Amino acid sequence: GAVVSQHPSWVICKSGTSVKIECRSLDFQATTMFWYRQFPKQSLMLMATSNEGSKATYEQGVEKDKFLINHASLTLSTLTVTSAHPEDSSFYICSARDGTSGKETQYFGPGTRLLVL
Amino acid sequence: LAKTTQPISMDSYEGQEVNITCSHNNIATNDYITWYQQFPSQGPRFIIQGYKTKVTNEVASLFIPADRKSSTLSLPRVSLSDTAVYYCLVGDMGDDKIIFGKGTRLHILP
Repeated sequence: GAVVSQHPSWVICKSGTSVKIECRSLDFQATTMFWYRQFPKQSLMLMATSNEGSKATYEQGVEKDKFLINHASLTLSTLTVTSAHPEDSSFYICSARDGTSGKETQYFGPGTRLLVL
Repeated sequence: LAKTTQPISMDSYEGQEVNITCSHNNIATNDYITWYQQFPSQGPRFIIQGYKTKVTNEVASLFIPADRKSSTLSLPRVSLSDTAVYYCLVGDMGDDKIIFGKGTRLHILP
């Protein structure tokens, strides 16, 4: 199946700093990418939908000025957590939609573990 | 987006066949049914996707009755490594987004 990568796989940062997470579709072009966060023992929660060349669409309750999303190319989307706080510590997962199969299947990255001290 | 209902958890033993059923009464004509597997601290992994009847791949089978209001993921001869959370998702994948339910926590015992 299609491969989606994320970088870094884990990051530790101090409170107040900003952290950038990259999501790449390695063998397909993705016009749409999605960002999720997941807390322990919980399901994935959609944060935003990222469309190449346009502004991201954020879910209700997600601060767009805090979670900056850029989808600059068909293979790369980035999530920047600005002025991170300990409550932002979570597992962040991206996905990319591969439309070539005709079924618009979503493939997920391995996730990024963020710990804010 | 069709809402899905799955059992919260299931236990089974190595070598057994495991069937996880998902209810999606409000499935729409254009909706596909997709199952993902997730291990701790990893992203969900695509298992199988189908629209109607039966789909089989090297990992699992997906059974979908004629009314498409439910579906069953079948894992043949499970092993300990199949212990994971399994998510059933329903939607027209061309939609802007898909929403995850709580999933089924499958625990395989030796």
